[in-house]
Amino acid sequence: SYELTQPSSVSVSPGQTASITCSGGELGDRYASWYQLKPGQSPLLVIYQDSKRPSGIPERFSGSNSGNTATLTISGTQAMDEADYFCQAWDSSTAYVFGTGTKVTVL
Amino acid sequence: QVQLVQSGAEVKKPGSSVKVSCETSGDTFNNYAINWVRQAPGQGLEWMGGIIPVFGTTIYAQKLQGRVTLSAAKSTNTVYMEVTSLRSDDTAVYYCARGPPDLGAFDLWGQGTSVTVSS
Repeated sequence: SYELTQPSSVSVSPGQTASITCSGGELGDRYASWYQLKPGQSPLLVIYQDSKRPSGIPERFSGSNSGNTATLTISGTQAMDEADYFCQAWDSSTAYVFGTGTKVTVL
Repeated sequence: QVQLVQSGAEVKKPGSSVKVSCETSGDTFNNYAINWVRQAPGQGLEWMGGIIPVFGTTIYAQKLQGRVTLSAAKSTNTVYMEVTSLRSDDTAVYYCARGPPDLGAFDLWGQGTSVTVSS
């Protein structure tokens, strides 16, 4: 089955850049999406089709995908960005797959 | 404002079944797929399956195949997710999520339904 691996945690200072990776076989050949999940809330789509932002998502969120790694970058990180982040991709054998998740802490 | 509205929290005994509903709009029911995703306590997100409501076409995660059934009622624009033979590790928050055609992602989520399986 297809698997996506993320670092368990990332720490960042306010105003700095946070980068979250998502690794999977030939991930660059698939579309990657990213979701933000805060306690008590539903997941929020922040990036789709590797690098596109849904309406209402701040420009500080950006994405890229190449080779075996997709990356979510949060520029000028704010305290409100502290959350869990999950990548997602589609695989023909396992359909939708989520990454293991990364807890972003803004120190 | 387009929303997905889910049914309320459930507490179930091991071995029993639970059926969770997700009320959509007519536009969503007719033009989008609805997927189900769950998050167990302290765990990540797990895709369970999806349905194209207007056609009734379904796809399930292999791990849950045989225990999960998705269905749709056009008269009420509602999608249902039933899990049978519940176990303690089915305890989770269950979400319905809309998947636009060709987006490869879920752009709208329900508020979540807590399901607790306990004797």
